[in-house]
Amino acid sequence: GAGVSQTPSNKVTEKGKYVELRCDPISGHTALYWYRQSLGQGPEFLIYFQGTGAADDSGLPNDRFFAVRPEGSVSTLKIQRTERGDSAVYLCASSLTGEETQYFGPGTRLLVL
Amino acid sequence: AQSVTQPDIHITVSEGASLELRCNYSYGATPYLFWYVQSPGQGLQLLLKYFSGDTLVQGIKGFEAEFKRSQSSFNLRKPSVHWSDAAEYFCAVGASNDYKLSFGAGTTVTVRA
Repeated sequence: GAGVSQTPSNKVTEKGKYVELRCDPISGHTALYWYRQSLGQGPEFLIYFQGTGAADDSGLPNDRFFAVRPEGSVSTLKIQRTERGDSAVYLCASSLTGEETQYFGPGTRLLVL
Repeated sequence: AQSVTQPDIHITVSEGASLELRCNYSYGATPYLFWYVQSPGQGLQLLLKYFSGDTLVQGIKGFEAEFKRSQSSFNLRKPSVHWSDAAEYFCAVGASNDYKLSFGAGTTVTVRA
């Protein structure tokens, strides 16, 4: 079956602009996660959704970052007033209920100029 | 809080030779342990996982890993590497009551002919 998909695959924006990154999880997976991977580092947790609600947003770096999952499926990560330090690969993962293996998408590579 | 250390940043191995990647974790209870592989421009692919039971786990692509509680380690091994195994490998730790994964910084594997 289809895996986790993310769009766009690449996004170039200017400092101060607003961006939205989309994640389509595996069908039927109730748990969805966002991670950020900076160059040369492992992924770092941002936020976890169980259904429509954010169960844990402790990894969001500041209030410029926000994520939604209004219907319990697709999720959008929103970044306001982007900064050059936001440049990274943003990874989305999903799992069946939250206690199983997380399956990752290909990521969105964000470059803030 | 859990953490993961991958002591080797970069390993070069000859095709056909054996490979071992080290992973040490810090966690108070019984961890969930994972190895993921990431090829250039790709997302994370799960190689294998340990939740409980037999401490020697088999994964895809001929990889195996052994959980050693006394050493807080979960090292990844492959008896004979192929050129296609060149990639970045990440060890990650989670838990039954903490859904987010903590990743190591990764080990880059280069395979020489």
